[in-house]
Amino acid sequence: KQEVTQIPAALSVPEGENLVLNCSFTDSAIYNLQWFRQDPGKGLTSLLLIQSSQREQTSGRLNASLDKSSGRSTLYIAASQPGDSATYLCAVTGANSKLTFGKGITLSVRP
Amino acid sequence: GAGVSQSPRYKVAKRGQDVALRCDPISGHVSLFWYQQALGQGPEFLTYFQNEAQLDKSGLPSDRFFAERPEGSVSTLKIQRTQQEDSAVYLCASSPLFSGSAYTQYFGPGTRLTVL
Repeated sequence: KQEVTQIPAALSVPEGENLVLNCSFTDSAIYNLQWFRQDPGKGLTSLLLIQSSQREQTSGRLNASLDKSSGRSTLYIAASQPGDSATYLCAVTGANSKLTFGKGITLSVRP
Repeated sequence: GAGVSQSPRYKVAKRGQDVALRCDPISGHVSLFWYQQALGQGPEFLTYFQNEAQLDKSGLPSDRFFAERPEGSVSTLKIQRTQQEDSAVYLCASSPLFSGSAYTQYFGPGTRLTVL
């Protein structure tokens, strides 16, 4: 059974800092890996999707990498801003089409 | 265009009551998914439809949970005889074609169910 782990559960940083969020998964047989953002009381917004054949994806200040063989992904956020405060969830898509999520990392960026 | 919508946004039920949660996916999206998110946890898969066919219901926690998508568009998740452990946010997501490919899932805002 696929398990996705995100550590730590919460992170607080000052504005402007570059930061790395980590995700690990146990079964490397995945179609893709996604990073989502969740704001309180709202649904999930997809930030980046990395296909299993890819190594990384970039969007603005966000960069996500994937090392499928070791079961790891990182989300890099450059020059963090208070508006980046949210919960970040990592999820993998398996052969059965469903997403398996980690518990998320709650990020707080202090002004 | 409109995103995925869910109704109601909030539902309070007394233990033992039946509830019905609605999902309107993005128009034309073939795949539809339901997830359950308990407080402080990541979403967990419940069930998956491709058009009107329910292809996977392995995540439904008990036979009190039932989902349908009769015309391949709107879906309803029904929970019978609700229990306190059913309290969670129920998320619906849709995807244009088959998941497990290049297509991401687009999520609705969720329905927060509280069972007293």
